[in-house]
Amino acid sequence: GQSLEQPSEVTAVEGAIVQINCTYQTSGFYGLSWYQQHDGGAPTFLSYNGLDGLEETGRFSSFLSRSDSYGYLLLQELQMKDSASYFCAVRNYGQNFVFGPGTRLSVLP
Amino acid sequence: NAGVTQTPKFQVLKTGQSMTLQCAQDMNHEYMSWYRQDPGMGLRLIHYSVGAGITDQGEVPNGYNVSRSTTEDFPLRLLSAAPSQTSVYFCASRQLGTGAFNSPLHFGNGTRLTVT
Repeated sequence: GQSLEQPSEVTAVEGAIVQINCTYQTSGFYGLSWYQQHDGGAPTFLSYNGLDGLEETGRFSSFLSRSDSYGYLLLQELQMKDSASYFCAVRNYGQNFVFGPGTRLSVLP
Repeated sequence: NAGVTQTPKFQVLKTGQSMTLQCAQDMNHEYMSWYRQDPGMGLRLIHYSVGAGITDQGEVPNGYNVSRSTTEDFPLRLLSAAPSQTSVYFCASRQLGTGAFNSPLHFGNGTRLTVT
């Protein structure tokens, strides 16, 4: 079977740093991705980790440890517009992605 | 670029009715898929296709049919709607092939379906 776990909710204040964790169990693994979804909107791609380590894209960074089946998304200098749901997703040995249940991030002023 | 276009945006059906959710992409992506999104359950794969004439089942295929006669279009058919199919449906596409190993999914804006 395949499953991913994420915290259901995270709250932080503007300007802070927040980390959203993801653990996974899959029958195959081609990488961990992160998607952002604002209320009423479509998921949009944020980052991808195929190898262990940290990937940085502006204020967002993503980390992967394949030996621990664990990754995280790090959001720095939080802004109100970062309030959204964040999903981790694993691509298995096929072409498909399995998504986690999502973490709802609320950024407070 | 239009990207991935889904129609309709909203739909209300009565139990037992049938309908087709439309999805079209203009990026020449070989891979297309349908997900449903329910509160607290993330996105679950219904059906997918890796090219025209090729379709396969995902995690939750029961009650849904798909076909892929062209690269651009991937309609999802509900044969006899049930209240359990009330959900938000997303179509997504991605590039396949050499050099596209880590290509991301591109999502449409979703269809919000209510079955009464």
